[in-house]
Amino acid sequence: AQSVTQPDIHITVSEGASLELRCNYSYGATPYLFWYVQSPGQGLQLLLKYFSGDTLVQGIKGFEAEFKRSQSSFNLRKPSVHWSDAAEYFCARRAAGSARQLTFGSGTQLTVLP
Amino acid sequence: DADVTQTPRNRITKTGKRIMLECSQTKGHDRMYWYRQDPGLGLRLIYYSFDVKDINKGEISDGYSVSRQAQAKFSLSLESAIPNQTALYFCATSDPDRSSFGELFFGEGSRLTVL
Repeated sequence: AQSVTQPDIHITVSEGASLELRCNYSYGATPYLFWYVQSPGQGLQLLLKYFSGDTLVQGIKGFEAEFKRSQSSFNLRKPSVHWSDAAEYFCARRAAGSARQLTFGSGTQLTVLP
Repeated sequence: DADVTQTPRNRITKTGKRIMLECSQTKGHDRMYWYRQDPGLGLRLIYYSFDVKDINKGEISDGYSVSRQAQAKFSLSLESAIPNQTALYFCATSDPDRSSFGELFFGEGSRLTVL
């Protein structure tokens, strides 16, 4: 079964520091990959998505992610974290076939220290 | 107003009670989904619907049922709630257009507590 792994349950960074959240997916042809953010009490908001083309994808709020097929990874990065980035982050992969269901990782909770 | 609206946002109920969570959307999408979120488990798919006449089970459908009353409305029911159904439930929609890659648009969630 196709799966998505987020190895880090919780990450703490200081405001202004750089951030990298890890995501690994089980290999499959033409992965569709997504990063979502969930702020407290809110639904999930799409940060960015990847299907093909340039392996470095730019998203909203200053986030970017890099697709590395050789490592089956799609890590999320931000050069300088803001306190408002504190949230839970989910990596997701679109299932193969026409169903277009997303399979989600278990999430990474980000804490930002002042 | 939100494009995907869930009601109620919070509900506390007792074991054995029937509960319905409702979802309505103004995005005009044909595809609708119900996910369940538990700490440390991410989101898991309960049911999904590609149109009014097409309902499909997800990975954790046991104990749940759904109804697609119209293109814009998709309800999730717990016929006899049990404590391990305590969770945050999300409704989502997607556009079948290829350019969307299957991106999901989420409601704000319905927090259900079963005592």
